[in-house]
Amino acid sequence: AQSVTQPDIHITVSEGASLELRCNYSYGATPYLFWYVQSPGQGLQLLLKYFSGDTLVQGIKGFEAEFKRSQSSFNLRKPSVHWSDAAEYFCAVGTPDGQNFVFGPGTRLSVLP
Amino acid sequence: KAGVTQTPRYLIKTRGQQVTLSCSPISGHRSVSWYQQTPGQGLQFLFEYFSETQRNKGNFPGRFSGRQFSNSRSEMNVSTLELGDSALYLCASSLRDRVTNSPLHFGNGTRLTVT
Repeated sequence: AQSVTQPDIHITVSEGASLELRCNYSYGATPYLFWYVQSPGQGLQLLLKYFSGDTLVQGIKGFEAEFKRSQSSFNLRKPSVHWSDAAEYFCAVGTPDGQNFVFGPGTRLSVLP
Repeated sequence: KAGVTQTPRYLIKTRGQQVTLSCSPISGHRSVSWYQQTPGQGLQFLFEYFSETQRNKGNFPGRFSGRQFSNSRSEMNVSTLELGDSALYLCASSLRDRVTNSPLHFGNGTRLTVT
């Protein structure tokens, strides 16, 4: 069965600083990979997804992520963080047969003014 | 296009009672999944329905059940509520036609508090 780890439970960055959130997965083949963001009191919103092709994918709100097969990673990046980016971020793995998603435990991002 | 709608938004119940939560998916989406979110356990998959059939089920006791109607709307029911059932229950819809792995679109959740 697939699994997802997000090593950082909580990250604090200053507004304007760059950001990288880590995600590692365990799966026998190349999975479908997703990043979701959850603002307080809200549901989850899809930031970006990777199915195949170019390993650097662009998402909404200025986020990007890079799939590295050799490292089983799909890290999320943003060059300059805004105060509104403070939220919880979830990495997720989907199996190609479309059976299910598995979510990581999440990383909470705090942004200092 | 309207998003995923979950009702009610907040719910307070007493231990031992039962509760029914409702989810209306995005128009055209045939798959509805339910998740329980708690601070200690994170996001845990409850079940998925596709075209009125339960397609996948997570590791929850039988007190948790669901169903999907012909219009793809879904309900989940929790019987004999326990304090530990207090959580945010999230519904997500997707196309999920077994060919594509379309992303999940989430509602804002129902916050259930059991006292």
